[in-house]
Amino acid sequence: EAGVTQFPSHSVIEKGQTVTLRCDPISGHDNLYWYRRVMGKEIKFLLHFVKESKQDESGMPNNRFLAERTGGTYSTLKVQPAELEDSGVYFCASSPTAGLAHEQYFGPGTRLTVT
Amino acid sequence: GENVEQHPSTLSVQEGDSAVIKCTYSDSASNYFPWYKQELGKRPQLIIDIRSNVGEKKDQRIAVTLNKTAKHFSLHITETQPEDSAVYFCAAPRSGGGADGLTFGKGTHLIIQP
Repeated sequence: EAGVTQFPSHSVIEKGQTVTLRCDPISGHDNLYWYRRVMGKEIKFLLHFVKESKQDESGMPNNRFLAERTGGTYSTLKVQPAELEDSGVYFCASSPTAGLAHEQYFGPGTRLTVT
Repeated sequence: GENVEQHPSTLSVQEGDSAVIKCTYSDSASNYFPWYKQELGKRPQLIIDIRSNVGEKKDQRIAVTLNKTAKHFSLHITETQPEDSAVYFCAAPRSGGGADGLTFGKGTHLIIQP
């Protein structure tokens, strides 16, 4: 089966611009997560979807970040306007079973550089 | 919420020797503990996980041990090989045992010296 895919793999934007990251989870996976790794630090949770519903967005840094999962399939994460501290690698992960801790399958990540 | 501490941040071992990475967690309700391996420029991949109803799990050269009383778990890699070089992350559920997302440790950069 196809794994989790993310687009783009790399994005370089200027401070104040807008960027939209996309994640396609494994087909049939209800859970979709966004994480971020900044400057070689730990992988930090941003938010969690169950199907099309936001289950928990307490990890989102501020209101410049907006995530959507229309129709419960792919998800987008928009940063508007981008700031220098938003640079990092944004990972998406999915898992199949709602309500049960299970292996999360990670995408390859999008490396965002804000200059 | 869960807090996960991981040590050491860097570990260098001779090829063929064993490597041990340790993590502690804070939420006694946590019941699922995965370990992820991230090679340079690649995605994190699950290498082994353990649930709180067992104390140890092995998969070839990799093992994980769990001490629920002390709230710590460890990754053991025996007969290390060059391809084991990577960053390893431990994790625990953000809330108990549900599928609410993971809290990760800060990672251990494992270097296998030839």
